[in-house]
Amino acid sequence: DAGVTQSPTHLIKTRGQQVTLRCSPKSGHDTVSWYQQALGQGPQFIFQYYEEEERQRGNFPDRFSGHQFPNYSSELNVNALLLGDSALYLCASSLVDGNEQFFGPGTRLTVL
Amino acid sequence: GQQLNQSPQSMFIQEGEDVSMNCTSSSIFNTWLWYKQDPGEGPVLLIALYKAGELTSNGRLTAQFGITRKDSFLNISASIPSDVGIYFCAGPISNTGNQFYFGTGTSLTVIP
Repeated sequence: DAGVTQSPTHLIKTRGQQVTLRCSPKSGHDTVSWYQQALGQGPQFIFQYYEEEERQRGNFPDRFSGHQFPNYSSELNVNALLLGDSALYLCASSLVDGNEQFFGPGTRLTVL
Repeated sequence: GQQLNQSPQSMFIQEGEDVSMNCTSSSIFNTWLWYKQDPGEGPVLLIALYKAGELTSNGRLTAQFGITRKDSFLNISASIPSDVGIYFCAGPISNTGNQFYFGTGTSLTVIP
């Protein structure tokens, strides 16, 4: 039973570029949440997807967008990258209205 | 944004000692979760708590959901070197939907 998987593992971009990160949820889960974790801090909620729609959003600008596919996998897109977007991006999956979220290994994004 | 304060911020203990850490908030939580995160990896769920006053164990770990629903405690007994990592409390605040908030983290170092 595969857990949450994310790709790529690491990514280096320059300011102004766009990036797409991918996540496959744990088998049986239908809800995907994305988090940004800056160095030395706890994860910050970006948004959550269920039934291919954004269900809830944290305090992040519109440069951050997402998508969920019919197979429940999800993408996180960030446009017009800033240096401050450098962070570990975590994907977590759960059942809708479930209170246990399971995390993937993350994608380390570095913006130069 | 919402703040979950964890204390202590860091701990250095001898192998075999017991560890206690806590998490407090000004908001009421429906669920408290405790995660452990190793460097460069995603958080791993350790324990989930669902009602005020609940005391739950998972091996050498014991956690409690505070009566006020604004705090939680995690204890680790007889620490071993593999307990090293950063421990986060997390959960959804009551009546705010599915957004998870994470604490500031407690860094644990176990000296053999």
